Amino acid sequence: QKEVEQDPGPLSVPEGAIVSLNCTYSNSAFQYFMWYRQYSRKGPELLMYTYSSGNKEDGRFTAQVDKSSKYISLFIRDSQPSDSATYLCAMSSIQGAQKLVFGQGTRLTINP
Amino acid sequence: EAGVAQSPRYKIIEKRQSVAFWCNPISGHATLYWYQQILGQGPKLLIQFQNNGVVDDSQLPKDRFSAERLKGVDSTLKIQPAKLEDSAVYLCASSHIRPGLVYSDTQYFGPGTRLTVL
Repeated sequence: QKEVEQDPGPLSVPEGAIVSLNCTYSNSAFQYFMWYRQYSRKGPELLMYTYSSGNKEDGRFTAQVDKSSKYISLFIRDSQPSDSATYLCAMSSIQGAQKLVFGQGTRLTINP
Repeated sequence: EAGVAQSPRYKIIEKRQSVAFWCNPISGHATLYWYQQILGQGPKLLIQFQNNGVVDDSQLPKDRFSAERLKGVDSTLKIQPAKLEDSAVYLCASSHIRPGLVYSDTQYFGPGTRLTVL
């Protein structure tokens, strides 16, 4: 069993839709949770970083962590074609984004 | 601020050949990471440096992979000899350490080197 599970998609939605991306994990030592966005032929870039259970909002993006269920989510509101990318969840048991364990990534397409 | 630079961007080699990748991190970033990203998968950490010392190389296949960061700035990752299953994108990332040895929450990734082993 992988430490981090993420549905690879692909996921295709119309512009303006709310997108929900999810990851589950098995290692209860994970305390730090991140979402990265990766455009084609580019390196990942950090979107959201959360530590505790609950919600964190940044513009159109909301990250949600439920440690009791070992489940994290990323919501994108008012999705735009420029949001089309692969979204990777990542987790760590160590402060400062060290020793990251990534999910497989979900490929998202927003259709105009 | 210049980002993480990597070269070459693409490399095609035959199996059993050798190959090397170069990474120049963001200026002042003490921590440098090499990741392997196989098509359709998330990045897997190979090695982490802090300055010129190795912090974690537990997932580096040491029989064929080696990495160095001699002066605590640039880094080179080498594969010798390459196997078909080494075909992947090799990503370099860097992050800085704040006073009090507090590691930054953000890793900055380079564009990667896409390796194809035939």
